[in-house]
Amino acid sequence: EPEVTQTPSHQVTQMGQEVILRCVPISNHLYFYWYRQILGQKVEFLVSFYNNEISEKSEIFDDQFSVERPDGSNFTLKIRSTKLEDSAMYFCASNRLARGYEQYFGPGTRLTVT
Amino acid sequence: SQQGEEDPQALSIQEGENATMNCSYKTSINNLQWYRQNSGRGLVHLILIRSNEREKHSGRLRVTLDTSKKSSSLLITASRAADTASYFCATEGETSGSRLTFGEGTQLTVNP
Repeated sequence: EPEVTQTPSHQVTQMGQEVILRCVPISNHLYFYWYRQILGQKVEFLVSFYNNEISEKSEIFDDQFSVERPDGSNFTLKIRSTKLEDSAMYFCASNRLARGYEQYFGPGTRLTVT
Repeated sequence: SQQGEEDPQALSIQEGENATMNCSYKTSINNLQWYRQNSGRGLVHLILIRSNEREKHSGRLRVTLDTSKKSSSLLITASRAADTASYFCATEGETSGSRLTFGEGTQLTVNP
């Protein structure tokens, strides 16, 4: 069964460094998402992406964050200058046709900022 | 506003028993989705129920939705030790695009 994949599974970085988290959504899906989960907290929506542009973003998704679909399969989240509070599990998700359909999540990337 | 608040926060049962978890939400929804998360792992999609549906089944899972009370329940029948995980409800709002808003989750422990 097709699944969303994410790399790396764990990333450790120093404060102020740039990180890129990578995702490969399910191949026939058109909508892509990033969520994050700070340890012990709820899963929070960051951004949704369709047709090569952001369709929706939360207040968390500030200028330090950006997303890109650099080719036909990858979907990336870049954090320009990481802060300690960016430490979290970052989940990529995709769904076939946006509203009303199941969102399938990847296994996550655990980002640790030291 | 807070959406998708689950209760109980934690539930411990014996293998073979049924587990019921509840979720309440505050705004109108398009659908509600339940997910399972094993400790420190990814979110596994369990079931989606639309706002015009009242009940849905998938294997040992039964989900109900009461839009008048803005609540949903997830029932796992004949639980197994492997069902031990956190369970989250997530709502897709009627007017909030396709983003999902998650609750705090219920930690289910099934004792062998």
